[in-house]
This record gives sequence, structure tokens and C-alpha cells, in this order.
Amino acid sequence: AQSVAQPEDQVNVAEGNPLTVKCTYSVSGNPYLFWYVQYPNRGLQFLLKYITGDNLVKGSYGFEAEFNKSQTSFHLKKPSALVSDSALYFCAVRDVSISGGYNKLIFGAGTRLAVHP
Amino acid sequence: DGGITQSPKYLFRKEGQNVTLSCEQNLNHDAMYWYRQDPGQGLRLIYYSQIVNDFQKGDIAEGYSVSREKKESFPLTVTSAQKNPTAFYLCASSGRGLAGSNEQFFGPGTRLTVL
Repeated sequence: AQSVAQPEDQVNVAEGNPLTVKCTYSVSGNPYLFWYVQYPNRGLQFLLKYITGDNLVKGSYGFEAEFNKSQTSFHLKKPSALVSDSALYFCAVRDVSISGGYNKLIFGAGTRLAVHP
Repeated sequence: DGGITQSPKYLFRKEGQNVTLSCEQNLNHDAMYWYRQDPGQGLRLIYYSQIVNDFQKGDIAEGYSVSREKKESFPLTVTSAQKNPTAFYLCASSGRGLAGSNEQFFGPGTRLTVL
């Protein structure tokens, strides 16, 4: 079965330090992977995606993610965290059972990032 | 939140009532989606539609209904058959991309509370 796991409910990091939010996936074939961020009582905002090509993907707000096929992981990273990065982060993978050009996503449970001053 | 609007932002419902949540997009996207978000469970897909007048059940469609009469609109009705409707509801849309590579754009959400 296809799935996405975010093993940490919460990640705490000090401002200025590097941050990593972990994501692992299980899907047959080549995965399409996405990261979204959600601020309180708001919708999700797209950060970045991996479709093909370079394993290091750069996205919005200084975030990047590294695709590792052998470890089936797609961890989100940022070199220097800001207090304003505090939010809920979701990893998602495309459901490969759906054909066509549209995207049905399978989401992880989310990881709450807390950046302390 | 892009070009997707959801209304109302907050909705209160008495038990046994049907309520309809609105979702409109001006992004010219073909596909639209409805998700339910509960604390600690991430997002679960209720219904999705890839084209006007067609839609498919997602993972938790029981107690919900949708329509897609216009490309821009994808309203969700929470019926009295939904046993635990209190949740945050998110609408999203996406354009046709190469083999589903396009990201989804999300609306600001509607928080439904059953009294």
C-alpha cells in the first residue's frame, strides 16, 4: 500500500540553527513527492516538489529537500531556521493508482516545527 | 492561498442538519479536491473531480456529497449521515500536468463545528 510517514510529531530547533523535517514514503515506481506548510487556521502552501532529475530540490523561503531513493526518504531542510518558520509541515506523495494528468495526493500526518529565539 | 476561496470561514451546525461548504477557484484548473483535516491525522481525501460533471469518492466519502456543475465551483455538502463532522475542511485545485506532476493549490479552509 502507498503511504507517507513523518516520524516526528514535533521538531524543536533554535533560531539560526539548521533544521530537518523527516519524511519517508512507500510507493511503487518513481515517486512524485511534495512538501507543504500550514500556518494556524490557514490552508496549505506549496513549498517544493520532486518529480525527476537532481536529488536536491530547492523551494520557497530558503527550504530544500533531498530525495534519496535507496532510503525512500524526502527530508525537508533549511540551513538557518527563523522563528517565522514555526508551522505545521506536510509531506505528500502522488497516488500512482490514479491515471491521467491529475494529482491525488497521499499526505503524512504532519510535523510541527517550533523554532525558538 | 492562491486563487481559491472558501466560504464561510467558520460554520456551526446543529446535529441532523445538512450544510454546504463553498469552494471557488479562478485558476482555470480542471481538477478540484476536498480534504478533511483532524488533529494528528493529516489530510484525508473526501472527494475529487477531474472534470465538470464528474467526480470520484476519496478515502472518506461516507456522509458527504459533492457536485461539479461548473469548472470554477466544487461545493461540498456535509449530510446528517456524517457521524463526526466537526473538522477543518480544505478545498484544493490543480491543473493538468505531465503525469500528475502539478502541485495542488489550497484554499483557506472552513472550520465546521457541530453543536
